[in-house]
Order: sequence, then C-alpha cells, then structure tokens
Amino acid sequence: KAGVTQTPRYLIKTRGQQVTLSCSPISGHRSVSWYQQTPGQGLQFLFEYFSETQRNKGNFPGRFSGRQFSNSRSEMNVSTLELGDSALYLCASSFRTGHTDTQYFGPGTRLTVL
Amino acid sequence: AQKITQTQPGMFVQEKEAVTLDCTYDTSDPSYGLFWYKQPSSGEMIFLIYQGSYDQQNATEGRYSLNFQKARKSANLVISASQLGDSAMYFCAMRESNSYKLIFGSGTRLLVRP
Repeated sequence: KAGVTQTPRYLIKTRGQQVTLSCSPISGHRSVSWYQQTPGQGLQFLFEYFSETQRNKGNFPGRFSGRQFSNSRSEMNVSTLELGDSALYLCASSFRTGHTDTQYFGPGTRLTVL
Repeated sequence: AQKITQTQPGMFVQEKEAVTLDCTYDTSDPSYGLFWYKQPSSGEMIFLIYQGSYDQQNATEGRYSLNFQKARKSANLVISASQLGDSAMYFCAMRESNSYKLIFGSGTRLLVRP
C-alpha cells in the first residue's frame, strides 16, 4: 500500500505570495492532519480534516487554510506569505481519529520564503 | 494541559549497543496514546511504536521497545543493537482521547558511532 504523498517536496516563494500544498493520504484513510515544523517552535498542529470537514484547528492565523476533497486528498493554502512561514509542512493520515489511531506522515514540503 | 518533555537534546551510542531515549508526559485524560517517531535528515516522520494508556504490557516492535511507567508518566524508547541507520531525530508524541492532534516533544538527536 502506498504511503502518504506530498507535493511539491520543495518550494521557494517570496513574501506576499501565496502557496498551495497538496497531500494524498494512504488509501482508505479518511483523516488528514497538517503540522508545521520549525527549528524554533518544533512541531505544531495546523488543522485536521475528516470526511471533508475541518474538525480542529491549531493556533495559526487565518492566512493558513485548508480543505479536503471527497477522495480524502487535502490541500493547505498559505496566503500573504511571511518570512516566518518558512518551515517543513508535514501531512499525516490515519484511518480514523482516536488516541489509538496511528498517524502516518508524508515526506513533507519544505517551504522557503524569501 | 497536555505536554511532552524530552530532556535529552542529543545522545551518542556505540554501534550494536542499546540506548534509551527519555520521554515524560503530562495529561489528566485517563485515555491516551503515546507514539514514537523517527525523523531522518530527509524530513519524513517514520512511525516506530505505539503504547496505549490501558495496555498492560510494554509495546515492542522489532528492535524498538517502550518502557511504559504509567505512575511516573514516562514512556522511554529503548533501541537495542543500534545501527548506523538509527542516527536521526526521535520524537515522542501523545494524543488524548478527545483530541484530534498529536502533541510532540522537542525531540532527541541520536548519533550512532561506528
């Protein structure tokens, strides 16, 4: 079974631009979560989608948004990019949502904002 | 509030020896899951092992085992017979029963010496 895939793997943008990142979960997984990883803040939860519904969102500004499609694929969008948005963005999928359900991560998208 | 603490920023271990990576957690939820992930320099988070709060036995997965001490709220990862490929960042994470997200510790960088 194929793992979680993320595209693109690397991205360079300039301040003020917007960016869209894509995530395809493991086949059959309906929950998709996004995390931001930076050297200073570590791994922080962005949001989680289940059956096309956003069920939880982390403490990030409204510039960060996302959506999930009927095939469980998910996209996240960051508008009006800031230098501090430079990070590794990780997507994770799980079959269900619960403390026993393992989240499997993709390879990440490394975003650099110049 | 839920919190994960990893007190070892970096560790060295000799190839073929065992190593223990420390993790303590804080939660008031009686139902939770504890996870360990490995992150090589490539960035992908690789799931290693899971321990549920009600599990009576310590989890094991090949060379990985989890030393779960519930009363002390610790969930240390033990890697036996270290290999050069084990050099990576290791993250401990927790998910409560009513939460959609993983809370991560700050990580431990492990370097295996030949």
